[in-house]
Amino acid sequence: KNEVEQSPQNLTAQEGEFITINCSYSVGISALHWLQQHPGGGIVSLFMLSSGKKKHGRLIATINIQEKHSSLHITASHPRDSAVYICAVRWYYGGSQGNLIFGKGTKLSVKP
Amino acid sequence: DTGVSQDPRHKITKRGQNVTFRCDPISEHNRLYWYRQTLGQGPEFLTYFQNEAQLEKSRLLSDRFSAERPKGSFSTLEIQRTEQGDSAMYLCASSRDTQGVMNTEAFFGQGTRLTVV
Repeated sequence: KNEVEQSPQNLTAQEGEFITINCSYSVGISALHWLQQHPGGGIVSLFMLSSGKKKHGRLIATINIQEKHSSLHITASHPRDSAVYICAVRWYYGGSQGNLIFGKGTKLSVKP
Repeated sequence: DTGVSQDPRHKITKRGQNVTFRCDPISEHNRLYWYRQTLGQGPEFLTYFQNEAQLEKSRLLSDRFSAERPKGSFSTLEIQRTEQGDSAMYLCASSRDTQGVMNTEAFFGQGTRLTVV
């Protein structure tokens, strides 16, 4: 079992739809990251969360530490949102932070 | 500072050749991470440095792989005797981890795409 599980693996939506991508993890963490990766490879950090909820434009990220679960929502989706969305956790042990552990990503395709 | 930069962006090499990639982190960042990503998969941890010390290595990092960060600034990742299975995107990230501050953001480079033919 992977420490970080994302669902769905692939998601196709029509422009304007509300989108939710889920991430569950099994390790103690100090922070959770949502990342966006376009074809060509570069990764852009969207959010870093350790509790609660953050919003940036049409993107909303939430985290429930007790349930070890986070969601990324996209409102009024647009074809330019098409990308791979990756959840990554910074695991925490012994009073210090370790490396990032990544989910496999959710490939989102938004059709016009 | 323009962020984390990686060089080259693309590398095509023949099987058996050695390759070296470079990562320049954000200047005040003390942590530097290397990851490998194959097609359709999320990035996998290879190794990370705190300043010049290599603190952790994944078992993915076979003896053909070596990483250095000699002065605690830029880092190099070398792959010796490349194999076709080494073809992947190699990603570098950096962060500033301060004692007692647990939530530090990691910033990523654009990656180096390696193709071994």
